[in-house]
Parts: sequence; structure tokens; C-alpha cells
Amino acid sequence: ELKVEQNPLFLSMQEGKNYTIYCNYSTTSDRLYWYRQDPGKSLESLFVLLSNGAVKQEGRLMASLDTKARLSTLHITAAVHDLSATYFCAVDPSRGSTLGRLYFGRGTQLTVWP
Amino acid sequence: DVKVTQSSRYLVKRTGEKVFLECVQDMDHENMFWYRQDPGLGLRLIYFSYDVKMKEKGDIPEGYSVSREKKERFSLILESASTNQTSMYLCASSLDRGYSNQPQHFGDGTRLSIL
Repeated sequence: ELKVEQNPLFLSMQEGKNYTIYCNYSTTSDRLYWYRQDPGKSLESLFVLLSNGAVKQEGRLMASLDTKARLSTLHITAAVHDLSATYFCAVDPSRGSTLGRLYFGRGTQLTVWP
Repeated sequence: DVKVTQSSRYLVKRTGEKVFLECVQDMDHENMFWYRQDPGLGLRLIYFSYDVKMKEKGDIPEGYSVSREKKERFSLILESASTNQTSMYLCASSLDRGYSNQPQHFGDGTRLSIL
């Protein structure tokens, strides 16, 4: 069974600081997704990473994918309070009949404080 | 923009009732999914569907069934609701089984309480 592990699960950081969330997965995949979820809300797609070495940036968030290491990172630069949310990574193993099915990590709950 | 609409944001039912959760998407997506989300456990896949009248079990199908009679609509059914099915239920859809590069799009969720 494919396993997707995120760490840390809880992250409390001060505004202005940098930090990285890690997403490790246990099987071959070249498609990885990052989502954001605000409290009481649904999941919103942030990034789609489709190949080894892919890097995407949006504002203070940058995501990357290393398919050889089976690792994706979500880097936060100069955090602001508005980034407080839960972040999920999800992997598409892209094989056979499971095409389109995603396997989610447990999520990283980020709190940014002044 | 893709719109995935779940019929209820909040729902309260009693143990033993048959419960229907409805999900409709407006972008002609082939794939549809039902998840439940519980604190500390992330998203767990209950059932998914690649086509009309087609369904596949996810990781936690016990106690649930689904129906997809039309392409745009995917229903989750709790045959006989139990208190351990109290949860947030999320519906999602995505384009197709090919290499579409598109993420799954999620509805706003239904917070279901079974008393």
C-alpha cells in the first residue's frame, strides 16, 4: 500500500521566518499535488508537480519535487499570518486502474503568530 | 471554474437511519470521489467512480455504498448510520483517467453528526 508521510504534522512559526514542510512517499510517482485547507473549509489546490525537478512558486510558497528521492517540499518564505492553514500533499501513483486516485498525507497544521 | 456542490453543509441524523449525501459537479468530469476527514487521520477514500454506473472501493468502504446514475452526480449512502460515521465528508471530481495534469476539485464538505 502506498504511504505518504508529511512532517511536521504541527508547525508553529513566527511571522517573517522561513520553514519547510516535507512530504515523503513510498512508491514511484511523477505526479504530486499540494492543497491548502482553511479551518471549516474545503481543500484548495495550490500546486501540481509533474516531473522530477519540478518547482512551482506562488507568493511566499514554493513547492518542489524529487522523484528519485520520492520527496516533495513546500517551502515557506517570510511567513505571514494569512498562511495559517492545514497543508496536504497528495500522490498519484499513476498505475493501471488507479489512475486519478490520490493518496493523501495526514496534513501539516501551520500556525503563524506575530 | 470547476464547481463541486454538496447538497448540505451540516446534517444531523439518528442511529440506524439511511442517509444520502449528494454531490454534483458541473465540468463534465469523469472521475468522482468520496472522502471522509477526521482530526489527525487526514483524508480517507471511501469510494470512487470513473464512469456512470461504475464504482470502486477505496480504503474504508464498510458501511457505505454509492450510486452514479448520471455523470455529474455521485451519491454516498450510509445504509444504517452509526455514531462512528460522524465526520466531515468531502466530495471531489477530476477530469479523466488519462494524463490530464489536473488536480481533484473539492466541494465544501458536509459535516454529518449521527446521534
